[in-house]
Amino acid sequence: KAGVTQTPRYLIKTRGQQVTLSCSPISGHRSVSWYQQTPGQGLQFLFEYFSETQRNKGNFPGRFSGRQFSNSRSEMNVSTLELGDSALYLCASSFRQGASSGNTIYFGEGSWLTVV
Amino acid sequence: KNQVEQSPQSLIILEGKNCTLQCNYTVSPFSNLRWYKQDTGRGPVSLTIMTFSENTKSNGRYTATLDADTKQSSLHITASQLSDSASYICVVSGPHFGNEKLTFGTGTRLTIIP
Repeated sequence: KAGVTQTPRYLIKTRGQQVTLSCSPISGHRSVSWYQQTPGQGLQFLFEYFSETQRNKGNFPGRFSGRQFSNSRSEMNVSTLELGDSALYLCASSFRQGASSGNTIYFGEGSWLTVV
Repeated sequence: KNQVEQSPQSLIILEGKNCTLQCNYTVSPFSNLRWYKQDTGRGPVSLTIMTFSENTKSNGRYTATLDADTKQSSLHITASQLSDSASYICVVSGPHFGNEKLTFGTGTRLTIIP
């Protein structure tokens, strides 16, 4: 079956602009989580959605927001972009909410965002 | 503060050799520990998931061990192949205010040379 699909794969934005990233989870998965990956900080958790509700949130400013639709697809939005937002944004899906041992988390290929 | 530290930061070995990557964590309480492989420019792929009661788990040439008492894990790669060149990320999960919080290591960059 198809994996986690993220679009776009690459994008360049200017400081102050906003960006929306999209994620389609594996069919049947209801949990979608988002992560930011930078060379210096590694992977950092942004938020998790399950059944259209945000269930968990990391320590990111309010400029980072997301939502999940009834078909489990999710979008992530970053407003007023800063140079430091340049990163690989990864979406992951799983059948159940959370990170219990029986819940394998599958990652997409990511969206590379460059802010200039 | 919950932390996951991986060592070494980078490693270069010859094809066919074995290697071991280390992960030390301070996450408490602890639920499970995962190892992921991430090829350059790709998303991470799950290798193993272990709970506190599991000491070892294998996935082909990859074998992970866990000592929950000392809060240490290792990932052993046997008979390395060029395709093993990647970053290996250790992720520890623990309960956090009714949810599970994932704490990520910064990874070990492994390069296999022919």
